[in-house]
Amino acid sequence: DAKTTQPPSMDCAEGRAANLPCNHSTISGNEYVYWYRQIHSQGPQYIIHGLKNNETNEMASLIITEDRKSSTLILPHATLRDTAVYYCIVRVGGDSSYKLIFGSGTRLLVRP
Amino acid sequence: KAGVTQTPRYLIKTRGQQVTLSCSPISGHRSVSWYQQTPGQGLQFLFEYFSETQRNKGNFPGRFSGRQFSNSRSEMNVSTLELGDSALYLCASSLLGHSYEQYFGPGTRLTVT
Repeated sequence: DAKTTQPPSMDCAEGRAANLPCNHSTISGNEYVYWYRQIHSQGPQYIIHGLKNNETNEMASLIITEDRKSSTLILPHATLRDTAVYYCIVRVGGDSSYKLIFGSGTRLLVRP
Repeated sequence: KAGVTQTPRYLIKTRGQQVTLSCSPISGHRSVSWYQQTPGQGLQFLFEYFSETQRNKGNFPGRFSGRQFSNSRSEMNVSTLELGDSALYLCASSLLGHSYEQYFGPGTRLTVT
């Protein structure tokens, strides 16, 4: 199974962009990259996912390198409520059945 | 729409006992996955059920088992509990083939003494 590598912690100032990197150099061609976050040991919350192209939604943007060996999650205007552990995940399997392989996550601290 | 619910939220058991945890998925979701979260190992996939069939399994001993009912509700069972089974057990549901997101419940925190 593919694995991901993330920095253990990062911080950014409130209102600024938070850029969270992830390395997934062993990812296979049909495996998706997902991002989830977890606040105070609640259940993880879905943020965004992608396969090859960059993606954007109301929460964040996902930039995937052309060789797909790494990606970056961008929170464009971080707020204090974005303080959480962010997980970069590889989805193993197809549409009919899959599992999420979680990495160790990045603890993001948004400073006032 | 109600989210994923898990019961109980907290549980204390003794070594050697067994425990059953319950998960009710979001209405209409037919896939249910279970994860174990510990400080040392992080979030690890346990198994996934769809239409009452286990379709995926993680690397856990046979003491960990699960099942899914016709209404998509799922249970997981851990027999002969060990201290290392103390963890947050998370359940997630999804609409396979229509949605790629798994929606997680709040978890059941199991403490084994």
